[in-house]
Amino acid sequence: GAVVSQHPSRVICKSGTSVKIECRSLDFQATTMFWYRQFPKQSLMLMATSNEGSKATYEQGVEKDKFLINHASLTLSTLTVTSAHPEDSSFYICSAGPHRGTFFGQGTRLTVV
Amino acid sequence: GENVEQHPSTLSVQEGDSAVIKCTYSDSASNYFPWYKQELGKRPQLIIDIRSNVGEKKDQRIAVTLNKTAKHFSLHITETQPEDSAVYFCAANRIRVSGSARQLTFGSGTQLTVLP
Repeated sequence: GAVVSQHPSRVICKSGTSVKIECRSLDFQATTMFWYRQFPKQSLMLMATSNEGSKATYEQGVEKDKFLINHASLTLSTLTVTSAHPEDSSFYICSAGPHRGTFFGQGTRLTVV
Repeated sequence: GENVEQHPSTLSVQEGDSAVIKCTYSDSASNYFPWYKQELGKRPQLIIDIRSNVGEKKDQRIAVTLNKTAKHFSLHITETQPEDSAVYFCAANRIRVSGSARQLTFGSGTQLTVLP
């Protein structure tokens, strides 16, 4: 399958700080990437659609000022969790894909203390 | 929007038996249905997918069937092995984003446990 790389895999940050998560497509160009959030033992919930060269599209209930998305190139999208709080602790995962399928990054386990 | 329901939420089978997981979708325009396997703390891995112009697809011990009229699709795993134990998610393509990306709506997941 296609390779989608996400970094970091784990991050612990203090409450009130910001955290940036990167999602890269390594062997294909991705004009669109998707960001999901997954709570323990739950499904993946789409947060936003990242569009290269334009603004991201956020799902209902997702604060765009809290979850900043930048898709500056055809191979990189970033998600910045701003002013993180303990309730933002979760597993964040990106996806992208050529026409043959959708593939996921490794995911980022964010813990806000 | 699309709504995908998946059941059962948990499934235990004996090694060597078959496992079946079922999903229903609401949007008749959906045309792509992938299945993912997710092990604890890891990314979902695409294991098989089916498009709406096909009724069944098989890949070794894994098969997926699609009934467009009833709007449901199923994952079948035969000769289960302990390493098949994981959470399985079905998904449906809600809209076709320009280019190649697909925006997926996921089912709630099934925890499959294969007992040795």
